[in-house]
Amino acid sequence: QKEVEQNSGPLSVPEGAIASLNCTYSDRGSQSFFWYRQYSGKSPELIMFIYSNGDKEDGRFTAQLNKASQYVSLLIRDSQPSDSATYLCAVKGLGFNKFYFGSGTKLNVKP
Amino acid sequence: DTEVTQTPKHLVMGMTNKKSLKCEQHMGHRAMYWYKQKAKKPPELMFVYSYEKLSINESVPSRFSPECPNSSLLNLHLHALQPEDSALYLCASSQELASEAFFGQGTRLTVV
Repeated sequence: QKEVEQNSGPLSVPEGAIASLNCTYSDRGSQSFFWYRQYSGKSPELIMFIYSNGDKEDGRFTAQLNKASQYVSLLIRDSQPSDSATYLCAVKGLGFNKFYFGSGTKLNVKP
Repeated sequence: DTEVTQTPKHLVMGMTNKKSLKCEQHMGHRAMYWYKQKAKKPPELMFVYSYEKLSINESVPSRFSPECPNSSLLNLHLHALQPEDSALYLCASSQELASEAFFGQGTRLTVV
């Protein structure tokens, strides 16, 4: 079983819609959760991080964490074509030494 | 400032060559990471340094040798690589192991 699982997509949404990206993780002791955006040929860019159960909002982005269900999600409101990229979920386990990425979800926002 | 600088941006090397990748950050971060990323795959963790000490080695072949000369610098020494080692090599740093990590722009390595 992979440490971090994501649907590879592609997820297609129209411009202005809400994009919902999901991630599950296997290590119940995981402490820190991150979302990165990666454009083709570029390095990952940190979008959000969340450590506690519940929601965390930053502009058009909301990260949601449910440790009981071992589930973390990213909502992108008012999606723009520039949001089209691969979104990587990353998790740091107990002790924080392990920092693993999911396989990424490719998002296409259609004008 | 969340800048992590990697040099060179591109590197082509033969299988008998020795080269080094360099990574630098001036944010006072105490954890630094090397990742390898193949096309259409997620980054794979290679090494983690915390307070200049090697914390994690993810069973990486010995032809990859990391070095952390000081808290701002991280090197990856390459020797006798194989063509399948061609990839994007990413460096990242974080304030502490628990904190969010920031990536450099990567070094695109091609082994011929």
